Amino acid sequence: DADVTQTPRNRITKTGKRIMLECSQTKGHDRMYWYRQDPGLGLRLIYYSFDVKDINKGEISDGYSVSRQAQAKFSLSLESAIPNQTALYFCATSGGPGEQYFGPGTRLTVT
Amino acid sequence: RKEVEQDPGPFNVPEGATVAFNCTYSNSASQSFFWYRQDCRKEPKLLMSVYSSGNEDGRFTAQLNRASQYISLLIRDSKLSDSATYLCVVSTDGGFNKFYFGSGTKLNVKP
Repeated sequence: DADVTQTPRNRITKTGKRIMLECSQTKGHDRMYWYRQDPGLGLRLIYYSFDVKDINKGEISDGYSVSRQAQAKFSLSLESAIPNQTALYFCATSGGPGEQYFGPGTRLTVT
Repeated sequence: RKEVEQDPGPFNVPEGATVAFNCTYSNSASQSFFWYRQDCRKEPKLLMSVYSSGNEDGRFTAQLNRASQYISLLIRDSKLSDSATYLCVVSTDGGFNKFYFGSGTKLNVKP
């Protein structure tokens, strides 16, 4: 089984809908991250969390919220999806300096 | 200005060739540096960390030039399996919390 899993893997939704992307990990890491990847822009950090009581905004948090339900679970929500949130979303964990373990990604399309 | 800049490529090289990628970063306070590899439509995976003195891992050599704020990756004896996008990643806090990703350099190794 994969160490970092994301659900759903693909999602098409309409403008204005609320959507939640979920991430689970079995690596026992405290640090978890949400990124989005757009062509030509690389991965950009949305939110990160050191533990269940610590949530921090990344460089592009507007329009997103997160919930750290447990050490192993970190969810990303789009309260009212808009087309420019169409992207590939990655969850990642980190147990030490430098190395991040990524989930397989969620491809989100907002029409 | 982007935190991390890379030539997007693609670099098209024959098997057995030596190829080098560069990456520049804008924050002189950056402390930790990494190269990740990302296959098409897959998650990024750590290739190697970049140390001040330079480091080598098999056919891969990474170098850091702090004065000029650039990082390089050299691949010798390219294999077909090296075809991927190579992401330059910089951390300003020792690699613990926040990572800045370049948009990647695409490598195509041809038979």
